Amino acid sequence: DTEVTQTPKHLVMGMTNKKSLKCEQHMGHRAMYWYKQKAKKPPELMFVYSYEKLSINESVPSRFSPECPNSSLLNLHLHALQPEDSALYLCASSQEGGGGEQFFGPGTRLTVL
Amino acid sequence: QQQVKQSPQSLIVQKGGISIINCAYENTAFDYFPWYQQFPGKGPALLIAIRPDVSEKKEGRFTISFNKSAKQFSLHIMDSQPGDSATYFCAASMRGNFNKFYFGSGTKLNVKP
Repeated sequence: DTEVTQTPKHLVMGMTNKKSLKCEQHMGHRAMYWYKQKAKKPPELMFVYSYEKLSINESVPSRFSPECPNSSLLNLHLHALQPEDSALYLCASSQEGGGGEQFFGPGTRLTVL
Repeated sequence: QQQVKQSPQSLIVQKGGISIINCAYENTAFDYFPWYQQFPGKGPALLIAIRPDVSEKKEGRFTISFNKSAKQFSLHIMDSQPGDSATYFCAASMRGNFNKFYFGSGTKLNVKP
């Protein structure tokens, strides 16, 4: 199974809502990533988890809170978002450390009203 | 500082023609250079990748050319098809950095029938 799944596919939320994005992989990868992608731009790294530990936080605002409950799951908790946070949120996974392919999920299209 | 520079920003090619996208990098520690293809509303998918110990890699109609001394690599799509119309991102990564990708800015390819 070489698939990364993400739920939900679409999410519309108000600025006072709390919601969560979910990501799952069963490839035995120990590195998992959250990216934010705006239209016509490359994916922008937000967080990296390595062996379920937060290893990179690219100075992301605290209204985004990542969580890695186990080696297969990655969550992104959202609270008090702004309209400019509307974007495609991508999850990816890879073998840790040695370099190589990152497998991307289909993304969650987030709209903040 | 942008670690990977990609050109052109957009490209129009006739069906059957050759599409060429170029990337340049600065950090000589990079040792993995993938090309990702992304269709609208979807996550990026690996197309082809190369490591710096080879100068060329071919997979079907897709070829990466790698010039280590010039710190450049390029994607060639032979016999371009309308189904190749997508956005292409080059990237680079190095070992020991949680496999963090540095993406180019992207090239939107339009193959006309």
